[in-house]
Amino acid sequence: NAGVTQTPKFQVLKTGQSMTLQCAQDMNHEYMSWYRQDPGMGLRLIHYSVGAGITDQGEVPNGYNVSRSTTEDFPLRLLSAAPSQTSVYFCASRPNRGVTDTQYFGPGTRLTVL
Amino acid sequence: DAKTTQPTSMDCAEGRAANLPCNHSTISGNEYVYWYRQIHSQGPQYIIHGLKNNETNEMASLIITEDRKSSTLILPHATLRDTAVYYCIVGSGNTPLVFGKGTRLSVIA
Repeated sequence: NAGVTQTPKFQVLKTGQSMTLQCAQDMNHEYMSWYRQDPGMGLRLIHYSVGAGITDQGEVPNGYNVSRSTTEDFPLRLLSAAPSQTSVYFCASRPNRGVTDTQYFGPGTRLTVL
Repeated sequence: DAKTTQPTSMDCAEGRAANLPCNHSTISGNEYVYWYRQIHSQGPQYIIHGLKNNETNEMASLIITEDRKSSTLILPHATLRDTAVYYCIVGSGNTPLVFGKGTRLSVIA
């Protein structure tokens, strides 16, 4: 299994541009989520999904959209990039069978908005 | 907001036990305590979790107080590779994990 994969690893955008961060997992996990991590800070939840066709907002959803058309993929869309969205973005997944699930994280996408 | 309080940083000598404390005074009866760590800028890695009883696995031990308002993660023989940020998280498993700022552990040779 490849686990949780994220593309791209690095991205530079100009203010106002849009883009999609890709996340995929091959473990048949129902639960997937997106976090952002600013320098020196912990992870903050952006959006999450408990299964295909179901998404919900986390702590900091503004400026981001998600969709979950398949179990494997959970893309994160930046609608109009702003410098405040410069961050490292982590995607995570877990089986969602219950409280003992382990959450697996991808390697991250480092985004800079100029 | 995170439901836990952790020291900002700690040091530990290589080969000694690292004891990382966590306060979670508002924990509910059905909530677990989870520990994750993040090495450099990699994605966080699961360490251990528990509800009431103390837990041990190949990586660490988790000691939860009887009133469940605090816990301690123990790395029995810390190595340089254990230098990381350690996150203590309280949750019910079916809800999203909310991360705080964690404790930055530095293992010193």
